[in-house]
Amino acid sequence: GEDVEQSLFLSVREGDSSVINCTYTDSSSTYLYWYKQEPGAGLQLLTYIFSNMDMKQDQRLTVLLNKKDKHLSLRIADTQTGDSAIYFCAESTDSSASKIIFGSGTRLSIRP
Amino acid sequence: EAQVTQNPRYLITVTGKKLTVTCSQNMNHEYMSWYRQDPGLGLRQIYYSMNVEVTDKGDVPEGYKVSRKEKRNFPLILESPSPNQTSLYFCASSLGGTGGYEQYFGPGTRLTVT
Repeated sequence: GEDVEQSLFLSVREGDSSVINCTYTDSSSTYLYWYKQEPGAGLQLLTYIFSNMDMKQDQRLTVLLNKKDKHLSLRIADTQTGDSAIYFCAESTDSSASKIIFGSGTRLSIRP
Repeated sequence: EAQVTQNPRYLITVTGKKLTVTCSQNMNHEYMSWYRQDPGLGLRQIYYSMNVEVTDKGDVPEGYKVSRKEKRNFPLILESPSPNQTSLYFCASSLGGTGGYEQYFGPGTRLTVT
């Protein structure tokens, strides 16, 4: 079945760039997402990319998609302490978001 | 304020005692889902609903029931909870249709079954 994989932990120094990687198996994935979960809260959509795009930039966030390798990455420039959270990669094959497959989440910690 | 609410936020119960976790959204969304979050496993979909009276199983439906009698509400029912259902549960809703790709999540319900 469909699977989304990402590493569990990432530690970066404040001010550096963070790069969180994700691989997925479903070649018919149409929408790929990054959700952010802060401590004690639900998930919030951070950004998304359609499968016909290679890159999307939104302020400090850059999403890169390599459809051939089924690889998605999220780059956070100038990482701040407020970026500490769990980041979930997710994919769906339809536009309605009725069924989204999530990865296990990457816990990003920021060191001074 | 547009939101998804869940109640209760925390619940400790005993094996076999039926419980219901409520979920409500005020955005007139068509689609609603329930997920459970377990360490190292991410979120796994339990059930989803595409409209009133239309529900379908997700990836881990065993031991759970849902109903969608009204558009805004989507309760999760555990008829006979067991310790392996101890988890963090999230309800989510989305607009549905083309362009309704964002899911809005509730704050979560932490359930402990002893």
